[in-house]
Amino acid sequence: NAGVTQTPKFQVLKTGQSMTLQCAQDMNHNSMYWYRQDPGMGLRLIYYSASEGTTDKGEVPNGYNVSRLNKREFSLRLESAAPSQTSVYFCASSRDGQETQYFGPGTRLLVL
Amino acid sequence: GESVGLHLPTLSVQEGDNSIINCAYSNSASDYFIWYKQESGKGPQFIIDIRSNMDKRQGQRVTVLLNKTVKHLSLQIAATQPGDSAVYFCAELRGSNYKLTFGKGTLLTVNP
Repeated sequence: NAGVTQTPKFQVLKTGQSMTLQCAQDMNHNSMYWYRQDPGMGLRLIYYSASEGTTDKGEVPNGYNVSRLNKREFSLRLESAAPSQTSVYFCASSRDGQETQYFGPGTRLLVL
Repeated sequence: GESVGLHLPTLSVQEGDNSIINCAYSNSASDYFIWYKQESGKGPQFIIDIRSNMDKRQGQRVTVLLNKTVKHLSLQIAATQPGDSAVYFCAELRGSNYKLTFGKGTLLTVNP
């Protein structure tokens, strides 16, 4: 039981490049989330998926898109990366909306 | 505005002492609270949670206290060990809206 896994662990992009961050969970959770973590800002919710087939905006969705590919997988896409998107990105999952969220190890993204 | 915050950004204790990390929240409608531990370079790790119908909950070496009157949450760690050194976040959730709100974190340093 691996919990929540994320790929890649680290990525460097040039401004304007695109990329997709992958997330998968093996806990049969219904809900999945993407956060970014910046120094002094704590964790902020980008998008979430309450259940397979649904996605909703969080606190900071601009510049991102998401896809809930199936119950296990939830991807985050940056269509045109900007230096302001340099951050550590965490994926999380929970059984439903009012249960504990479990986090992956994170993806460290640097946009030059 | 609605927020979850911490009284102390840093806390330094001696090994073997008890640690207390505090958190204030401003939304009286919050009904679910979680403490996370985050070690350097890793994702947040669930420690303990408490719902608003409880005042106290105990785990292994950890206790969470909830005072709804003054909107205050605390995490007590007994016999603190060097492995407890990390950043600790409190987080709140209101209903089943999926949107976990995090505080900015407290850095706990345990001196041997």
